[in-house]
Amino acid sequence: EAGVAQSPRYKIIEKRQSVAFWCNPISGHATLYWYQQILGQGPKLLIQFQNNGVVDDSQLPKDRFSAERLKGVDSTLKIQPAKLEDSAVYLCASSSPTGLASYNEQFFGPGTRLTVL
Amino acid sequence: GDSVTQMEGPVTLSEEAFLTINCTYTATGYPSLFWYVQYPGEGLQLLLKATKADDKGSNKGFEATYRKETTSFHLEKGSVQVSDSAVYFCALSDRKGFKTIFGAGTRLFVKA
Repeated sequence: EAGVAQSPRYKIIEKRQSVAFWCNPISGHATLYWYQQILGQGPKLLIQFQNNGVVDDSQLPKDRFSAERLKGVDSTLKIQPAKLEDSAVYLCASSSPTGLASYNEQFFGPGTRLTVL
Repeated sequence: GDSVTQMEGPVTLSEEAFLTINCTYTATGYPSLFWYVQYPGEGLQLLLKATKADDKGSNKGFEATYRKETTSFHLEKGSVQVSDSAVYFCALSDRKGFKTIFGAGTRLFVKA
């Protein structure tokens, strides 16, 4: 079974530029997550989709970050314009919780390392 | 709000030493608890989980017990190997699985 795919793996941009990341979850997984992992910290949830609807985007800086999951499969995360503090690894994860699941195992992609200069 | 606190690293041990990485949490309700591991150059992967009080999660020689009375989920292994060198993340998720909160991670170095 193929894992979560992300691209690009690395990206270097100047501040105020825009950037987009792509994620393809595990086939059949209804839930997709985007996390931001700053060096030395744990992943922080940015946005969570259930199929193509947003479940939680409370920590997404909506003035500069946007995400979409058209057709409920793959997803893109965009930053426009980028700031120096956006330098981080952006992780995508997917899961397939059943209706009354009491836990939620997430499968992570390799991440995209973003450097903003 | 909900939070996870884990011991700061790095933790450096010799091969075959006993490992404990402390994790405590604050949460409303009854969260599920997880340990994820990130090996060098790889993505995060689930190591073990526990979904209710007194449950013990185990995998690859690692264990952790869900202690509701002390709000803890400490990770232990009786004899570490060099290949266990990685960053370990404690995490919790609410019962609906709609929010996962990670600790800051603890880096483990195991020397031969």
